[in-house]
Amino acid sequence: QVQLVQSGAEVKKPGSSVKVSCKASGGSFSSHVISWVRQAPGQGLEWMGGIIAIFGTANYAQKFEGRVTITADESTSKAYMELRSLRSDDTAVYYCAGGRIVVEPTTMAGMDVWGQGTTVTVSS
Amino acid sequence: DIQMTQSPSSVSASVGDRVTITCRASQGISSWLAWYQQKPGKAPELLIYAASSLQSGVPSRFSGSGSGTDFSLTISSLQPEDFATYYCQQATSFPYTFGQGTKLAIK
Repeated sequence: QVQLVQSGAEVKKPGSSVKVSCKASGGSFSSHVISWVRQAPGQGLEWMGGIIAIFGTANYAQKFEGRVTITADESTSKAYMELRSLRSDDTAVYYCAGGRIVVEPTTMAGMDVWGQGTTVTVSS
Repeated sequence: DIQMTQSPSSVSASVGDRVTITCRASQGISSWLAWYQQKPGKAPELLIYAASSLQSGVPSRFSGSGSGTDFSLTISSLQPEDFATYYCQQATSFPYTFGQGTKLAIK
C-alpha cells in the first residue's frame, strides 16, 4: 500500500515562494495522478493541480495558473508543489493525494491515499 | 470547469438517523464522482469512488448513488464517529473540483 509523506511546516514572508515535497513509499505512483489540495483555516478543500507521473505533464486550476508548479520525479518517487508570490491568504494546510487513473488520460477512481498535510503560514 | 454544488451545507442529526447528502455537477460526469470524509485536523479519507463503489475498509452503512449530474451519499444509521465534514469531487477530468462541503453535526 502506497503511503505519502510530506515535508515539514513552513513559515514564509509575503512575496516569497514555498516548495513542498511528497514522497511515496511502499510502491510506485506511476499509474496514479498526484494532486495537490489545500485547505485554508476553517474552509473547504481546494484542488490546486495534479500530475500524472508517467506522462510528466501537470494541469492546474485556473486560480493558480502561473503561480504554481507541480513536478514529479519517478526515480525518487517524489512529487513537488512550488507556490510563488505568496500572500497572506495562501496560509493553509497543503495536502498531496494520489488517485489511480482508470480511464486515460485523466479519469481517476478517487484519491485513496493522502499525505499528512503541510502547514504553510505566510506572515510578515 | 465543472462546478460541484453540495446540499445541505450543514445538517444536524442523531445517532441512528439516516442522512443523505446530495451533490450536483454543472455538466455530466458519468459516474466519476468521489466522496470523502474529513475530521478536524485530519486529512480527508476516501469513502466512495465511481459514484457507488465502497472504498476498502469503509463501513457498509455508507452508500453512494447517481450518475450524470446528480449524486447522493447516504449514511444508513449514523454512528458517533460519522460526525464530520463530507465532500464530493468530480474525478472525470482536470480540474478535479470539490463541492463546498457538508458539515454533519450532532443534534
